[in-house]
Amino acid sequence: DIQMTQSPSSLSASVGDRVIITCRAPQSISTYLNWYQQKPGKAPKLLIFAASTLQTGVPSRFSGSRSGTDFTLIISSLQPEDFATYFCQQNYNVPFTFGPGTKVDIK
Amino acid sequence: EVQLVESGGGLAQPGGSLRLSCAASGFPFSSNAMNWVRQAPGKGLEWVSLISGSGDKTYYADSVKGRITISRDNSKNTLYLQMNSLRDEDTATYYCAKNLGQWELLQPFDYWGQGTLVTVSS
Repeated sequence: DIQMTQSPSSLSASVGDRVIITCRAPQSISTYLNWYQQKPGKAPKLLIFAASTLQTGVPSRFSGSRSGTDFTLIISSLQPEDFATYFCQQNYNVPFTFGPGTKVDIK
Repeated sequence: EVQLVESGGGLAQPGGSLRLSCAASGFPFSSNAMNWVRQAPGKGLEWVSLISGSGDKTYYADSVKGRITISRDNSKNTLYLQMNSLRDEDTATYYCAKNLGQWELLQPFDYWGQGTLVTVSS
């Protein structure tokens, strides 16, 4: 199984801050990396797929990038509705595995 | 509008069984592979199973293989998860999730249901 890691596990930020979340794969997964946002009591929501493609309807302040087996989710200017937990997921191999999550809360 | 509505969760005893359902609407159901993903209380996400659009291919996480069966009825636009030999560690919210594209592999999950809670306890 491909064990995904994420850092940090949590962060505190203010509205307007630039937030960077990193996900790392232990082997090459090409660009088969997705990012999801989950708010308490709600289902996950797809933000970015194929490492850098913004899902329809997702604000452009979200972006994703890849450098080898390292992947980054950037929120350029944090908004009140962005406080949530973010998960990366590899869909390169079965079983599809998720990172442990990064909780973004209010500073 | 795509909608996925899970049902069938509840309390089950260890060793017991439950069948979850996911009613789909708003897209050509038979064209998309479907998944079950679960989340234990306060924990992260765990992919459980995948079924192709036609239902002829299925995939399972090792943690559930042999105890859980995914199936679908395309005439009813419904996805199922038959859960047998339930264990305490199966306690979780179970989400159904739709593949973005038509293939079963290499696809993100673009729509999720609201989830149904399964509690395994004596």
